[in-house]
Order: sequence, then structure tokens, then C-alpha cells
Amino acid sequence: GAVVSQHPSRVICKSGTSVKIECRSLDFQATTMFWYRQFPKKSLMLMATSNEGSKATYEQGVEKDKFLINHASLTLSTLTVTSAHPEDSSFYICSARDTGGGFYGYTFGSGTRLTVV
Amino acid sequence: GQQLNQSPQSMFIQEGEDVSMNCTSSSIFNTWLWYKQDPGEGPVLLIALYKAGELTSNGRLTAQFGITRKDSFLNISASIPSDVGIYFCAGSNTGTASKLTFGTGTRLQVTL
Repeated sequence: GAVVSQHPSRVICKSGTSVKIECRSLDFQATTMFWYRQFPKKSLMLMATSNEGSKATYEQGVEKDKFLINHASLTLSTLTVTSAHPEDSSFYICSARDTGGGFYGYTFGSGTRLTVV
Repeated sequence: GQQLNQSPQSMFIQEGEDVSMNCTSSSIFNTWLWYKQDPGEGPVLLIALYKAGELTSNGRLTAQFGITRKDSFLNISASIPSDVGIYFCAGSNTGTASKLTFGTGTRLQVTL
């Protein structure tokens, strides 16, 4: 089945630094990937839709200059949290779609827990 | 952004009991999905529903797409300890290329 690898699984960084999170589709090509943010005991909130070869589409209220998304290939999307602050600490999850799999093709990564100190 | 309301928010049940949870929306969706999330992991799809009124099973799980297209329920029969986790519903509107809107989640705990 479709596998999505997300890396790193955990990261701690200092305030003011930037952190890059990678999302890879391992055995399929994904023209579209999605980035979510999840606070403790809360639901997943869509941040942006990452489109291969074009600009990402951000949800209302998500700062595109703060959360940089790059989808340069059909198997890799990256989310960079720039100038991180403690309030950016959260669980970030990506999802990639295997076009041949219908809704069963929306595979999620295992998430990245970001802690900004 | 919009969220779907799930109830109950959490539940504690004994092993072997049946579980029922539902999800409601103020707007219509043409696809309903149910996911399970274990701690520190991403969600895993359990059931996908594509048609109003559709009833679909996956092992001990059964889900239905409400006739109004504004709600869905998930039943788990004969719960086991590994059913512990958070269950999310999700709605989608413009086909399989669409983004998902997630519910608020139902946290299930199973006691032996």
C-alpha cells in the first residue's frame, strides 16, 4: 500500500531559528500533498495544499511567509517553519494522495512534533 | 476553518461492548470518511462513504452516510483493547482531489 514518510518525527529548536519538515511519498507519485497542524487533544487543521511545480494554497489565517512550502518533485514536499516561536510548537502532519487510490489513497505521514524553546 | 462536530467527545467502555459515535455538519458533504489516530501517529483511514444513505462495513466497524449529507455515524462492535485511540470523521466536497475537513474527534478508551 501507499506509504508516506515524514521526517523528522521530533525536533526541538531555539526561538528564532527555522525548521524544515520533509514529507515523502515512497512508492507513488503525489501531485498534491496537504499539511496539517494539530494541537494537543485537538483535531487536524489544514494549513495548506502543496502542489507540485506551483505555489502552495494556504488556508485562511495561515501565514505563508511563516510556513514556507516547497513541492519541487512528485515525491517530496517540505514545510519550513521560519523564525520559529514557542507558539509554533505543535504536531505537524502531512498527507499525500495516490491518484489511483480514491480516498483510500490519502495517506498520512506519522507526524512531526515540533517544540520551540 | 470549518470543523465538524463529533459526539461524544470521549468515552470509556468495557472490552466487548459496542460503541457508537456520530458526526454532524452545518453544511453538506458528498464524501464522508472515518479515521483512527493513535498517539503520536498520523490518522489511518477506516471507512470511506460516497453516497447519501450508504452503509459500509469494515470488519467490526460500520459507518453510514446520513441521508441529509450533513451527518455520519460510526459503530464499533465487540470492542477490544486495540480500539483505543481517537476517531475522526472527515468530510470532502469536490471529489477525490479535494481537501478534507476534520471533525473534533472522539477519544475512545477501553477497559478490560
